[in-house]
Amino acid sequence: AQSVAQPEDQVNVAEGNPLTVKCTYSVSGNPYLFWYVQYPNRGLQFLLKYITGDNLVKGSYGFEAEFNKSQTSFHLKKPSALVSDSALYFCAWADYGQNFVFGPGTRLSVLP
Amino acid sequence: DAGVIQSPRHEVTEMGQEVTLRCKPISGHDYLFWYRQTMMRGLELLIYFNNNVPIDDSGMPEDRFSAKMPNASFSTLKIQPSEPRDSAVYFCASSLAPGVGGGNQPQHFGDGTRLSIL
Repeated sequence: AQSVAQPEDQVNVAEGNPLTVKCTYSVSGNPYLFWYVQYPNRGLQFLLKYITGDNLVKGSYGFEAEFNKSQTSFHLKKPSALVSDSALYFCAWADYGQNFVFGPGTRLSVLP
Repeated sequence: DAGVIQSPRHEVTEMGQEVTLRCKPISGHDYLFWYRQTMMRGLELLIYFNNNVPIDDSGMPEDRFSAKMPNASFSTLKIQPSEPRDSAVYFCASSLAPGVGGGNQPQHFGDGTRLSIL
């Protein structure tokens, strides 16, 4: 079965430090991968996506993600975390029919 | 630009009552999705439509749940009769069709309906 995993329920990082939120995937065929963020009492917001091409994908709010085929990973990164980045982050895989499989989510806390 | 609009934002009702959640997708989007989010189960896909036609409803919990999309600008999710275990946040999302070459389009989410069944 196609799946994405987010091995960390919670990530804590100090403001100004780099952050990484991890995602690994197990899919057949082309891995179309996405990152979303959810702030309290809001819907999920699209951050970035990987379809094909460059392994480093840049997205909204200074986030980027690195696709690594050998490690089947698609980790989300940001060079310098902000307190306002504190939120729930979801990795997702999409099939050809626009059906998304979402990971369980990782809660990011950026401490001032 | 208007995003996905859901109503109501909050709904509190007693078990056994009928509940209707509403969604207006982004104009021009071909796909519409209904999700349920809970602490225990995370984000679950309930059903999705393509061009107003239901494609996959395997996530609908049971016959008490039904969804319709009578036209491209409106969809409803109905629970009848409602039960306390249906309490959750229900999200609607919409997207364009995959691009040329198979590139998937991001889904755009509404802000959800927080449903509490007493």
